[in-house]
Amino acid sequence: GAVVSQHPSRVICKSGTSVKIECRSLDFQATTMFWYRQFPKQSLMLMATSNEGSKATYEQGVEKDKFLINHASLTLSTLTVTSAHPEDSSFYICSARTSGGMTYEQYFGPGTRLTVT
Amino acid sequence: AQKVTQAQTEISVVEKEDVTLDCVYETRDTTYYLFWYKQPPSGELVFLIRRNSFDEQNEISGRYSWNFQKSTSSFNFTITASQVVDSAVYFCALSEARENTGFQKLVFGTGTRLLVSP
Repeated sequence: GAVVSQHPSRVICKSGTSVKIECRSLDFQATTMFWYRQFPKQSLMLMATSNEGSKATYEQGVEKDKFLINHASLTLSTLTVTSAHPEDSSFYICSARTSGGMTYEQYFGPGTRLTVT
Repeated sequence: AQKVTQAQTEISVVEKEDVTLDCVYETRDTTYYLFWYKQPPSGELVFLIRRNSFDEQNEISGRYSWNFQKSTSSFNFTITASQVVDSAVYFCALSEARENTGFQKLVFGTGTRLLVSP
């Protein structure tokens, strides 16, 4: 099956610093990738939809200047949390959709647990 | 707007009991997809099933079964003879399906935490 990886799996950073999370589709090309955020014991909430070669589409309430998304290739999307604060501590999960046609399965990455101290 | 409701926040059962996780959804679309995912403590989402809106047949996969009822907008999930390894958070999700723009985002329910004790 299709595999999506995320790096790092866990990161701790100090308040005010920026951290980058990578999402890679290992064995398929993904024209669309999605970034979700999950606070402890809560559901997954879509943050943004990332299309290769174009600007990401952010969900209402998500600050695009704080959560920078880049989808420079068909196998890589990055999420950069800028000037992170403790309230940004969360579990970030990406998913990828294969290119072409209508595919209704998202292949999820294993997630990145971000802790901001 | 789309919405998924999982009214059961947490369910505790003893091993070998059967358990049903409820999922009720709202959508204005005639074409949509419903999903169930399992999230063990490790955090990684495990895909369990996808069902499109035109297929109301119930499905069984081993100890898992799903009951899709469009009349009540429900897509319930039953685990038969539960096991300790079934302990996890289970999410029901919904997505629209558009022919021109393809796959749409997933809207997740709030999840049901299942605790299976020995």
